[in-house]
Formats: sequence, structure tokens, C-alpha cells
Amino acid sequence: KAGVTQTPRYLIKTRGQQVTLSCSPISGHRSVSWYQQTPGQGLQFLFEYFSETQRNKGNFPGRFSGRQFSNSRSEMNVSTLELGDSALYLCASSSRTSGGEQFFGPGTRLTVL
Amino acid sequence: DAKTTQPTSMDCAEGRAANLPCNHSTISGNEYVYWYRQIHSQGPQYIIHGLKNNETNEMASLIITEDRKSSTLILPHATLRDTAVYYCIVGPGSSNTGKLIFGQGTTLQVKP
Repeated sequence: KAGVTQTPRYLIKTRGQQVTLSCSPISGHRSVSWYQQTPGQGLQFLFEYFSETQRNKGNFPGRFSGRQFSNSRSEMNVSTLELGDSALYLCASSSRTSGGEQFFGPGTRLTVL
Repeated sequence: DAKTTQPTSMDCAEGRAANLPCNHSTISGNEYVYWYRQIHSQGPQYIIHGLKNNETNEMASLIITEDRKSSTLILPHATLRDTAVYYCIVGPGSSNTGKLIFGQGTTLQVKP
């Protein structure tokens, strides 16, 4: 089974721009979660989608948004980029039958200049 | 906020068992203990999880105290490839596992 894939792997943007990151979960997984990882704050939960509905949301400003499609693929969008948005963005998928474990992708490294 | 407390760092000799402790004194009755690890610049990798019984899989063993306030992850024969940051996480069971609250984790350095 193919793992979680994320595109692009690396991205450079400038302040004020917006960015869209994509995540394809493991086949059959309907839950997709997003995390932000920075050296200062560590791994922080952004949001979770299940069957196209946002089920959980972390403590991030409204500039961070996401969505999930009917094939369970998910995108997250960050508008009006700030320098502090530079981070590794990780996506994870899980299945109700997987016993609770989440499978993480390799991440997208976003650099905001 | 993370509900767990872990040592910041630990060393282990290659081939020896690595025992990583975790305190979760505020764990509630329906919460599980999960362990993940992250090798530098990769996505976290699931290791094991448990509710109250000890668990073992091909990667590790999880020992949970009877009062469930602490646990220990055991890597029986550590190798250099086990050098990583190990996260102990308390969270709901399989019905709602999409939100994991990561703490700072334990950086395990396996030395030759």
C-alpha cells in the first residue's frame, strides 16, 4: 500500500502571498490531519478532516484553512503569509479500523522570505 | 497543552535496551497512551499504543503502570537507526484519533 504523499515537498514564498499544500492519504483512510512543526513551537495540530467535514481544529488564526475532497485527498491553504509561517507542514491519515495510529507523510517544507 | 512529561534527552549504547519513561498523571479512564518517533526531518512514525495492558509489537514494548499514571517504552535492542525524538502522547481511542497533542519528546541518542 502506498503511504501518505504530500506535494510539493519544498516551497519558497514571500510575505503576503498565499500557498496551497496537498495531501493524499493512504487508500481507504478517511481521516486526514494537518500539523505544523517549527523549532520553537514543536509539532502543533492544525485541523482534522473526516469525510469532507472539519472535525477538530487547533489554535491557529483564520489564515490557515483546509478542505477535504470526496476521495479523501486534502488541501490546506495559508493566506497572507508571514515569516513565522515558515515550517514543516505534516499531513497524517488514519482509519477507524487502524486502531488509532496515524500515518504521517514526509511533509512540505515551506520557507517564507 | 501536552498531558505528558518526558526527559529531554537520553543516551543508550547500541545493542542494549532503551527504556524511555513518560509521566501522564492526569490521564483519564478512556485515554490511550501512544508513542511516536521522529527521525530527523522525516514525518513522525507510529510505534505502539495501549490502554492499560502491556503491549508488544515488532518494534517495541509498552509497559503501563497499574494506576496508568506513567509508562515506559522499551526498545529491546537499540540500533543506531533508533536515534530519534520519541513522543509520548495521551489521546482518545480509535473513535477520534485525528488530533494528537505533541509535547517536546525525548531525544534518544544511540551510541556505538
